[in-house]
Amino acid sequence: EAQVTQNPRYLITVTGKKLTVTCSQNMNHEYMSWYRQDPGLGLRQIYYSMNVEVTDKGDVPEGYKVSRKEKRNFPLILESPSPNQTSLYFCASSFAPNTEAFFGQGTRLTVV
Amino acid sequence: TQLLEQSPQFLSIQEGENLTVYCNSSSVFSSLQWYRQEPGEGPVLLVTVVTGGEVKKLKRLTFQFGDARKDSSLHITAAQPGDTGLYLCAGVGGSNYKLTFGKGTLLTVNP
Repeated sequence: EAQVTQNPRYLITVTGKKLTVTCSQNMNHEYMSWYRQDPGLGLRQIYYSMNVEVTDKGDVPEGYKVSRKEKRNFPLILESPSPNQTSLYFCASSFAPNTEAFFGQGTRLTVV
Repeated sequence: TQLLEQSPQFLSIQEGENLTVYCNSSSVFSSLQWYRQEPGEGPVLLVTVVTGGEVKKLKRLTFQFGDARKDSSLHITAAQPGDTGLYLCAGVGGSNYKLTFGKGTLLTVNP
């Protein structure tokens, strides 16, 4: 089954404790991206990747890091999480930026 | 940053009514996508419109792309409770590779 898998689904952590949210896709997609979704602000792109070892900032990259060492994986790293990074995060993949994006189930992160 | 403005932000209607939601921008987009998101899930693609003036139908849903490729609309005929959800438009424009989303229209269809 074609899918994008994110883990974990739910995470509560404390300020400053490094964390990684994993994302994996099995569709051989070139383009992957991370979004955060907040009430009243919609889906905002954090980082995207056009291919292996090619990543670029989206609209809200501050406080986040990503890597694309393999085509199928695109982890999101929060080196020092802060409460304003409490949000619902989605990973997505597609063949290209303007083709159908497949989204993961989301990760609800709470930073206290 | 290319912005997509969606309206209305919220819409609550009775089953059987018709409705239209809008997605507008001052920028030109090479294509626009419409997604629906249900609570606790990621967005799912409904349709992609590519050509200015294009109209696509998906059962009771009709999507239109503006002639200038700056705006789009979604019309639902005889809405049903199963249509309830957050409707999002998204597009890639210019020479960048960012997929930009509008803030969405939260539709509630009451039985």
